[in-house]
Amino acid sequence: DQQVKQNSPSLSVQEGRISILNCDYTNSMFDYFLWYKKYPAEGPTFLISISSIKDKNEDGRFTVFLNKSAKHLSLHIVPSQPGDSAVYFCAASPLQGAQKLVFGQGTRLTINP
Amino acid sequence: NAGVTQTPKFQVLKTGQSMTLQCAQDMNHNSMYWYRQDPGMGLRLIYYSASEGTTDKGEVPNGYNVSRLNKREFSLRLESAAPSQTSVYFCAISRTFEGYTFGSGTRLTVV
Repeated sequence: DQQVKQNSPSLSVQEGRISILNCDYTNSMFDYFLWYKKYPAEGPTFLISISSIKDKNEDGRFTVFLNKSAKHLSLHIVPSQPGDSAVYFCAASPLQGAQKLVFGQGTRLTINP
Repeated sequence: NAGVTQTPKFQVLKTGQSMTLQCAQDMNHNSMYWYRQDPGMGLRLIYYSASEGTTDKGEVPNGYNVSRLNKREFSLRLESAAPSQTSVYFCAISRTFEGYTFGSGTRLTVV
C-alpha cells in the first residue's frame, strides 16, 4: 500500500525552463510534506517543506504547492539549472517534526543544456 | 552529510553471512532511523528509535535487528544476509521543520 506516490520515474527538462515534479498521497492524516534531493553516492538532503495550513511555500527557485482536496503536491523549479539534476523524493508525515516520514518512489530529474 | 556518520560505505557479503551497519550522530537528537532505498521503491523504513533504549519496527523489519545502546549510536544488524537485502541503507536523525538529516549511506551487495 503505497501511501505516497510519485508516478513519474523520470523527467527531462531544458535548462532555463520550469521543472514540475508531482506527488500524490492517500492518507488524509498527513499534514506535513517535504521534498528531498539526492545526488548519487550521497544521502538525501532537505529541500523544502509545507504544512497543510498553507497551499504554497517558496524558497528561491523552489516552490511547493499543496492541494489538500486532491491530495496532491508539486515542486516547481524555475529556472532549472544543470545542478538540479538529481533524484527528488517527496515525503509526508502526520506531524510537523517529521517523525516516521513516508517517502515516495522518487523522480529522476535531468536538466539538459 | 555532517552530523550523521555511517560505516562502512560499501560491503559485499555472501548469502548467510552476518554484519552490522553502524550509525553515529553528533547532533544530540533523540530520534534515529534506518531506511533502505531500492529502485522503484523509494525509501522504506526498517526500524526506528524514538530515544535511547527504545526501538520499534518500521515497514520492512524482517531479517534485521537494531540496537540503540546510547543516544549517539544506532546500529543495524543482518544476522543471515540474503540477496533480497541488497540495497542502499541510510541512517537518519529527525529534525524539526527539516525532517531528517541523512547519513551518506551504505551500499550493500549480497551474493
